[in-house]
Amino acid sequence: DAEITQSPRHKITETGRQVTLACHQTWNHNNMFWYRQDLGHGLRLIHYSYGVQDTNKGEVSDGYSVSRSNTEDLPLTLESAASSQTSVYFCASSGGRPQNEQYFGPGTRLTVT
Amino acid sequence: KQEVTQIPAALSVPEGENLVLNCSFTDSAIYNLQWFRQDPGKGLTSLLLIQSSQREQTSGRLNASLDKSSGRSTLYIAASQPGDSATYLCAVGKTSGSRLTFGEGTQLTVNP
Repeated sequence: DAEITQSPRHKITETGRQVTLACHQTWNHNNMFWYRQDLGHGLRLIHYSYGVQDTNKGEVSDGYSVSRSNTEDLPLTLESAASSQTSVYFCASSGGRPQNEQYFGPGTRLTVT
Repeated sequence: KQEVTQIPAALSVPEGENLVLNCSFTDSAIYNLQWFRQDPGKGLTSLLLIQSSQREQTSGRLNASLDKSSGRSTLYIAASQPGDSATYLCAVGKTSGSRLTFGEGTQLTVNP
């Protein structure tokens, strides 16, 4: 069955370190998204991609970057982790016509100490 | 800027009750609306997706309606069960395949 996976599921890191969160989908979807979920803010968009070599900033992109070298993967990099980036991160994909329903991964809980 | 609001933020009901969750959005120029379920510590599971041209969608005990002109959607859950306890999120998409804008969710507890 097609799916979307994230790794690691839990990560603890120190302030200032570079961290990369992986996202892999097997639906062959063109569209991929990274959101973060925080109490009081709901889910907010960090970055998104509509295809290979395409990346776009979302509403909370500062301190994050993504790259899309193939259809299946959209890794999210925190350049220099900050305590404000402690959150749960969700990856999602869409691309099944005509509805373009979005499917979500299980999430990565990141703690920056 | 699109804003999505869900009311109530939390709801507690006895088992067997029929209930309605509400979602409103400020910009009626949407492509679709999706309802999700999220269990504690888990990811989001898509429940229903309504295209902007549709009025409602049904799946089992769930029925979602959309009134695009008034910026409202409702999720109706029939004969609620304790297993329905979760947070329900509403999200709208502006164009096909675009990012979603989420509400903060309604936390539902169904008591046995």
